[in-house]
Amino acid sequence: GAGVSQSPRYKVAKRGQDVALRCDPISGHVSLFWYQQALGQGPEFLTYFQNEAQLDKSGLPSDRFFAERPEGSVSTLKIQRTQQEDSAVYLCASSLTSPRDLITGELFFGEGSRLTVL
Amino acid sequence: AQTVTQSQPEMSVQEAETVTLSCTYDTSENNYYLFWYKQPPSRQMILVIRQEAYKQQNATENRFSVNFQKAAKSFSLKISDSQLGDTAMYFCAFMSLQGGSEKLVFGKGTKLTVNP
Repeated sequence: GAGVSQSPRYKVAKRGQDVALRCDPISGHVSLFWYQQALGQGPEFLTYFQNEAQLDKSGLPSDRFFAERPEGSVSTLKIQRTQQEDSAVYLCASSLTSPRDLITGELFFGEGSRLTVL
Repeated sequence: AQTVTQSQPEMSVQEAETVTLSCTYDTSENNYYLFWYKQPPSRQMILVIRQEAYKQQNATENRFSVNFQKAAKSFSLKISDSQLGDTAMYFCAFMSLQGGSEKLVFGKGTKLTVNP
């Protein structure tokens, strides 16, 4: 597709349910990031992939959060036993190369998946 | 750890006027990147402008320019000739060039409203 696609756009879960959020990056993009954006806040880093390798998962808030990118393209963020504090917009972003390369590393964001935990 | 502070939760400006959004950051590093991102209502975040810390010249991108004061750790965004389409949340962000992490550290954002 032309841009980063995320699904579902909206998800309502009951506390304790498991959820899976999907990110389709721009084709050919090597780097993929997940961010969590709580209401009225800036995005906070969750995890980073380079192809299929998860190079940084230091931002995952607990072991209930798990992310994967098995074939180096589509990524899934899974949240087990959801809690109310997990309610947020989950943003996915991808870049052709490392974001440290200013020529080809521009990050492109998806529209996000808004998770509401009741 | 680096932190980014945006002290203006909300700002408004009249169409065609100029507005400046503030951003300060805290780091002990000498080389890094700084960014301004725009997030329109219900739409994806897009890059507005970026600055390399090792470049003294302030970055400009059409109506958008920055005032980068490295010693003061300040990185403000100036929007000239404001347009209705500039209405959005604006986030300042920092990227370290040290270590293995390539994450962005964002501020809390400034909500800008451009009035007709």
